[in-house]
Amino acid sequence: EVQLVESGGGLVQPGGSLRLSCAASGFTFTTYYMSWVRQAPGKGLEWVATIKQDGSEKFYVDSVKGRFTISRDNAKNSLYLQMNNLSPEDTAVYYCARRGFFEYWGQGALVTVSS
Amino acid sequence: DIQMTQSPSSLSASVGDRVTITCRASQGISNNLAWFQQRPGKAPKSLIYAASSLQSGVPSKFSGSGSGTDFTLTISSLQPEDFATYYCQQYNSYPFTFGGGTKVEIK
Repeated sequence: EVQLVESGGGLVQPGGSLRLSCAASGFTFTTYYMSWVRQAPGKGLEWVATIKQDGSEKFYVDSVKGRFTISRDNAKNSLYLQMNNLSPEDTAVYYCARRGFFEYWGQGALVTVSS
Repeated sequence: DIQMTQSPSSLSASVGDRVTITCRASQGISNNLAWFQQRPGKAPKSLIYAASSLQSGVPSKFSGSGSGTDFTLTISSLQPEDFATYYCQQYNSYPFTFGGGTKVEIK
């Protein structure tokens, strides 16, 4: 059974940093692109970033370029999202998802950016 | 960026109704389109990929069609568990983009 479990969410002040993790199991992690998608409270879905199987290519939505970094550790079957210089507009539930058409999703991690 | 426009933004329907949701891309995306269902407080769930391919485990009452710029999601017979918000998404080119969502409510 495919499982994606996010962790690392929480409350952070504007300008602060946070690192999200996603533990993957039930499939061969190394063979899939992986992505992050977020959803602000009461809003729709927004794609954030995608990383190739070997980490050699990374893609970001413009609003997070230069502030967020997607990475993966294939030895640990884990996906990460390092988020720096956070602003209140980054407040959202962050989901990790498999592939670019998000065939499986985690349960989400809430990130709240507030003073 | 490719804009995805869903219609309607909300609809009211009764159990047993046939429901159709449309999604239009601002430029051609071939068949690189997915549909998702999201129930309140839950993570989205994949229903359809490649415009018309049913995700494993998804009941056949869900179907998708279209190619290029115009797509539809149809639910053949609405059941109580189908009342949710539905999103389309294009993965033809970065940045990937979602439609604004269609909330399906009970009449």
